[in-house]
Amino acid sequence: KNQVEQSPQSLIILEGKNCTLQCNYTVSPFSNLRWYKQDTGRGPVSLTIMTFSENTKSNGRYTATLDADTKQSSLHITASQLSDSASYICVVSEGYSSASKIIFGSGTRLSIRP
Amino acid sequence: DGGITQSPKYLFRKEGQNVTLSCEQNLNHDAMYWYRQDPGQGLRLIYYSQIVNDFQKGDIAEGYSVSREKKESFPLTVTSAQKNPTAFYLCASSGPDPMVYGYTFGSGTRLTVV
Repeated sequence: KNQVEQSPQSLIILEGKNCTLQCNYTVSPFSNLRWYKQDTGRGPVSLTIMTFSENTKSNGRYTATLDADTKQSSLHITASQLSDSASYICVVSEGYSSASKIIFGSGTRLSIRP
Repeated sequence: DGGITQSPKYLFRKEGQNVTLSCEQNLNHDAMYWYRQDPGQGLRLIYYSQIVNDFQKGDIAEGYSVSREKKESFPLTVTSAQKNPTAFYLCASSGPDPMVYGYTFGSGTRLTVV
């Protein structure tokens, strides 16, 4: 069964610190992977997309990595800010990205403390 | 500004009652989707539509119904047959490939059974 697992489930760090969120997937064949940020009570917003051939992609203080061999991705947040408090969701597509082939992880809830 | 609008933000349903969640987009996207979000779980696909007057069931369509009479609108009805409807409902739209183009999500409707 195709799955997307994220860890940790929740994380609390101090403002200004760095953190790394993990995403492991068993989706096959793999097409691409996105990270979304979801503020409480809002819809998710896309941060990055990575295809099979990409290893690293950055979006400001967010850097995503992908190891397609081990089926792992990470999202690194540098110099965290209070506004980074949110849930971060890893999304993986199987083959052609029909909606029925897109699998969402359950997310990591990140809290930034002042 | 282009975007996707969900209403109402909060909705309360009595036992045995049907309720309809509204979703409107002005992004000129052909594809629209309904997802359900429960605590500790990834988003689950209820229904999706890739073109007007056509829609497909997702993974958890039982107890729900949709219509797509206009490109801009994709309302979701939660029927009395849905035994556990309390959840956060997210509507989204996208270009032809939701992973390549990314989803644009609405702000969600929180439905509670009273």
